[in-house]
Amino acid sequence: GNSVTQMEGPVTLSEEAFLTINCTYTATGYPSLFWYVQYPGEGLQLLLKATKADDKGSNKGFEATYRKETTSFHLEKGSVQVSDSAVYFCALSDQWTGNQFYFGTGTSLTVIP
Amino acid sequence: DTAVSQTPKYLVTQMGNDKSIKCEQNLGHDTMYWYKQDSKKFLKIMFSYNNKELIINETVPNRFSPKSPDKAHLNLHINSLELGDSAVYFCASRGPAGTDTQYFGPGTRLTVL
Repeated sequence: GNSVTQMEGPVTLSEEAFLTINCTYTATGYPSLFWYVQYPGEGLQLLLKATKADDKGSNKGFEATYRKETTSFHLEKGSVQVSDSAVYFCALSDQWTGNQFYFGTGTSLTVIP
Repeated sequence: DTAVSQTPKYLVTQMGNDKSIKCEQNLGHDTMYWYKQDSKKFLKIMFSYNNKELIINETVPNRFSPKSPDKAHLNLHINSLELGDSAVYFCASRGPAGTDTQYFGPGTRLTVL
């Protein structure tokens, strides 16, 4: 079956620190992979995505590379800001179950000045 | 213009009551979803509709009933509310196959007293 496992939080970093949030997946087909971000009191927003192996998704300084060999899609940012404080969700959408998304449990990030 | 909207944003009610949450999307999408997010931010899919047809119906108490009067609307009715129903409920929509991104509404925070 399909599933997503992501690093448990909460994560607390100082401003300008390097961020990595790990995400690994299990899928029966050829999934598309996503990172969504949820700011306090809001709904989820797409942060970035990658649709095939070796693709790199990037947005707002965040990056993640689709690694089929390690079934991973780790989120990274070189220098976090206070405004990056949010909950981050890794997700996949499998072509065979194209209507269903599988979300990880979410990782809460707090960036302190 | 808001792409996916939900009403109400907050809903406080007594145990045993029946309530509804409305969702509308103006993106022209065919597929809509309801998710439940608990206090630990865990996101669980409840239902999915494609062109007014139910396609995903996860293990959810039958007190929960989705209704889709047209493909732009997916409402959620909850009968005989229980304390454990307290959560944030998110509506989302998704475009045609090949456009994997889901767009989320702002959420409805339901509190059952």
